[in-house]
Amino acid sequence: GAVVSQHPSRVICKSGTSVKIECRSLDFQATTMFWYRQFPKQSLMLMATSNEGSKATYEQGVEKDKFLINHASLTLSTLTVTSAHPEDSSFYICSADAWGGTGTAYEQYFGPGTRLTVT
Amino acid sequence: DAKTTQPPSMDCAEGRAANLPCNHSTISGNEYVYWYRQIHSQGPQYIIHGLKNNETNEMASLIITEDRKSSTLILPHATLRDTAVYYCIVRVQSNFGNEKLTFGTGTRLTIIP
Repeated sequence: GAVVSQHPSRVICKSGTSVKIECRSLDFQATTMFWYRQFPKQSLMLMATSNEGSKATYEQGVEKDKFLINHASLTLSTLTVTSAHPEDSSFYICSADAWGGTGTAYEQYFGPGTRLTVT
Repeated sequence: DAKTTQPPSMDCAEGRAANLPCNHSTISGNEYVYWYRQIHSQGPQYIIHGLKNNETNEMASLIITEDRKSSTLILPHATLRDTAVYYCIVRVQSNFGNEKLTFGTGTRLTIIP
């Protein structure tokens, strides 16, 4: 199946600093990528839809000025957490749709996630 | 997208078949049933999807009832590595790769040695 990578896998930063997370589709092109956040013992919550060449679409309640998304190419989307605070500590996961091996529908493939800890 | 209902947790003995149910009584005619799983501290992994026919691949089988209001994911011979949270999701078929997934709370499956 299609492969999505994320970098870094773990990051620790001080409160008030900014952190950039990269999401790459390794063997396919993705005009759309998705960013999720997951707090401990909770399900994945969609934060935003990242569109190549245009602005991201944010879910209700997600601050677009705090979580900056740049979809620079068909294989790369970045999420920057600006002025991070301890409450931003979470597991951030990206994903992208690729035409599935069954040839019947798109299947969404997920990156391995990035664990952000803000101290 | 239609909502789904899953039991919060299940146990299954190693080597046995694990049957995970999902209710999606408000599913629309153009919505597919997708199953993903998430092993601790990893990104979700695609398992299988279907529209109305039963499906099987190397990982699992998907049984969808005739009225499409419920489905069952079957792991035929569960191993310890199948311990994970399993998510049943329904969504419209994506023609352009831009349809988002909405995750519920899933079923935490524990395989017991």
